[in-house]
Amino acid sequence: GENVEQHPSTLSVQEGDSAVIKCTYSDSASNYFPWYKQELGKRPQLIIDIRSNVGEKKDQRIAVTLNKTAKHFSLHITETQPEDSAVYFCAATPGYQKVTFGTGTKLQVIP
Amino acid sequence: DAGVIQSPRHEVTEMGQEVTLRCKPISGHDYLFWYRQTMMRGLELLIYFNNNVPIDDSGMPEDRFSAKMPNASFSTLKIQPSEPRDSAVYFCASRTGTGSSPLHFGNGTRLTVT
Repeated sequence: GENVEQHPSTLSVQEGDSAVIKCTYSDSASNYFPWYKQELGKRPQLIIDIRSNVGEKKDQRIAVTLNKTAKHFSLHITETQPEDSAVYFCAATPGYQKVTFGTGTKLQVIP
Repeated sequence: DAGVIQSPRHEVTEMGQEVTLRCKPISGHDYLFWYRQTMMRGLELLIYFNNNVPIDDSGMPEDRFSAKMPNASFSTLKIQPSEPRDSAVYFCASRTGTGSSPLHFGNGTRLTVT
């Protein structure tokens, strides 16, 4: 089955700096890669996603890149703000079916 | 759209008791997933259904866990008997079956087994 690895597990940045979270996956059949943000005590919510036929996608301060050859994808947050502090999960979906999550990255933005 | 609805929000029970968690997916969603979240293991997929049929239950930890989806609008996750190590937040999520659609999570059930 699919295995998703995520790094780093924790990340502290100064407000205004950029944050990068990296994930790798194992199943070459994976073709959809969503990213979720989970605030303390709340449910995970989708923030951005990318499909396998796209190399990069951007939405305001958030961007995701995908390298299918290397089987890795990354989340980039620019101009970080305190409200970006949360746990971020990457995920991979082989054949648009089962969704396997990475282990999460706890991001702390220091004002 | 009310979103994915889970009940109860919190459950505290004693070891050995039966626990039933409930989920109502978003209307029209073909897939339903049950996840367990702990600090140590993150978000673990327990089981998922497609059109009410269990597709993959390889994540169900042991025979004490069972899940059903009797119709398109209701699913249950049962633990019998419960153990302290089952303490976690259990999320239900649903999505459509069309291409790359995202998961929509419920608010979760926080289970504490003493």
